[in-house]
Amino acid sequence: GAVVSQHPSRVICKSGTSVKIECRSLDFQATTMFWYRQFPKQSLMLMATSNEGSKATYEQGVEKDKFLINHASLTLSTLTVTSAHPEDSSFYICSARDQGGIGYGYTFGSGTRLTVV
Amino acid sequence: AQSVTQLGSHVSVSEGALVLLRCNYSSSVPPYLFWYVQYPNQGLQLLLKYTTGATLVKGINGFEAEFKKSETSFHLTKPSAHMSDAAEYFCAVSDGSGYSTLTFGKGTMLLVSP
Repeated sequence: GAVVSQHPSRVICKSGTSVKIECRSLDFQATTMFWYRQFPKQSLMLMATSNEGSKATYEQGVEKDKFLINHASLTLSTLTVTSAHPEDSSFYICSARDQGGIGYGYTFGSGTRLTVV
Repeated sequence: AQSVTQLGSHVSVSEGALVLLRCNYSSSVPPYLFWYVQYPNQGLQLLLKYTTGATLVKGINGFEAEFKKSETSFHLTKPSAHMSDAAEYFCAVSDGSGYSTLTFGKGTMLLVSP
């Protein structure tokens, strides 16, 4: 089945630095990828939708200059948290939409736990 | 606009008992419906999905769900709970178009006691 690889699984960074999270579709081409943020014991909040070769579409309230998304190829999307602050600490999950099978599905990465100290 | 309501933030069952997790949706177009499971510090794993066709959908790990349009529901069931089923479960809906996003419910934590 479809597999999405997300790295790193955990990262600790100092306040003010930037962190890049990678999301790769391993056995399918993902023209669309999604980035979510999940607060403890809460549901997933969609941050942005990225389409290969075009600018990401950000949800209302998400700072596009802080959360930079690049989807330069059909198998790779990256999320860069710029000038991270402790309030950016969270669990970030990517998802890719695959077109295979009956209907279509959304495959999720394993998530990245970001801690900003 | 679409929305998902999951009744009960926590559901507790005994091992071997029936599992029933409730999900109701709101959608102005025929929905695609999904159930995902999340273990601590992990991403989401698809349990099952309904797109078209048969309304009773069977998924992995013995779970199944039935799409009931008249009740706008997509409840998840499993006849006999196992300790390994303890996790967070999310119901989600999309509008089935080529560019739609998923709308998630708030999740239900399933607790399984021996």
